[in-house]
Amino acid sequence: GNSVTQMEGPVTLSEEAFLTINCTYTATGYPSLFWYVQYPGEGLQLLLKATKADDKGSNKGFEATYRKETTSFHLEKGSVQVSDSAVYFCALSDHYGQNFVFGPGTRLSVLP
Amino acid sequence: NAGVTQTPKFQVLKTGQSMTLQCAQDMNHNSMYWYRQDPGMGLRLIYYSASEGTTDKGEVPNGYNVSRLNKREFSLRLESAAPSQTSVYFCAVGLSGPYEQYFGPGTRLTVT
Repeated sequence: GNSVTQMEGPVTLSEEAFLTINCTYTATGYPSLFWYVQYPGEGLQLLLKATKADDKGSNKGFEATYRKETTSFHLEKGSVQVSDSAVYFCALSDHYGQNFVFGPGTRLSVLP
Repeated sequence: NAGVTQTPKFQVLKTGQSMTLQCAQDMNHNSMYWYRQDPGMGLRLIYYSASEGTTDKGEVPNGYNVSRLNKREFSLRLESAAPSQTSVYFCAVGLSGPYEQYFGPGTRLTVT
C-alpha cells in the first residue's frame, strides 16, 4: 500500500538557519504530494502541494520539489523564523483520491 | 466562509458515556473524513464519506459510527466511550483532483 516516511524529529534550529525536512514515499501510479503544517492547538493547514513529477510547490518561503526518480518531496526554507515552529506533515493522495496517507509528522522548534 | 467547522471544541466524558462530534462544511465538496491524532501516532483515518449517503471504514473504525445525512454534515458518534478514545479528532473535506484536504480546528476529547 501507499506510505510516507519523514525524518524523525524534533528538529531544533536557530532563527535564520536553513531548514530541510526529508520526506520519501511509496505509491503506485502518480500520487499528488502535500506538506501540511500544524501550529500548537490548531488543525492542519495545507502549506504547499505538487501534482506531478518535477513540479515545485511553494508558499510562505517554503519549497518542495516532486522527485519521482527518488520518490521524495523534501521541504526546504532558506531562513526560518520563530513563527515557523510547528509540526510538519508530509502526505500523499493517490490518483483517485481514495487513499490519503500522512507521514508521522516532524516537530520543528526555532530558537531566537 | 467558515470552511470546516467542528463542535464541540473540548469535551470530557466518563467511560461508557456516548456523544456525537459534529462537522459541517460550506465548501460544497463531496468527500469528508474523520481522523484521530494521538501523540507519536500522526493522523489515523477513522471513517470517510465519498458522497452524501455513503460511508466507509478507515484504519481505526472500531468503537465509532458515522452519519452523512447531507452534503454539508458528517458526524462521528462514540456509543460507549473508552479511555483509549482520548484523542484529538479532526474532520476534513477533500477536494477532487488533486484531492487535497482541508481540516477543521479539531475536538479535544478526554475520556476518564
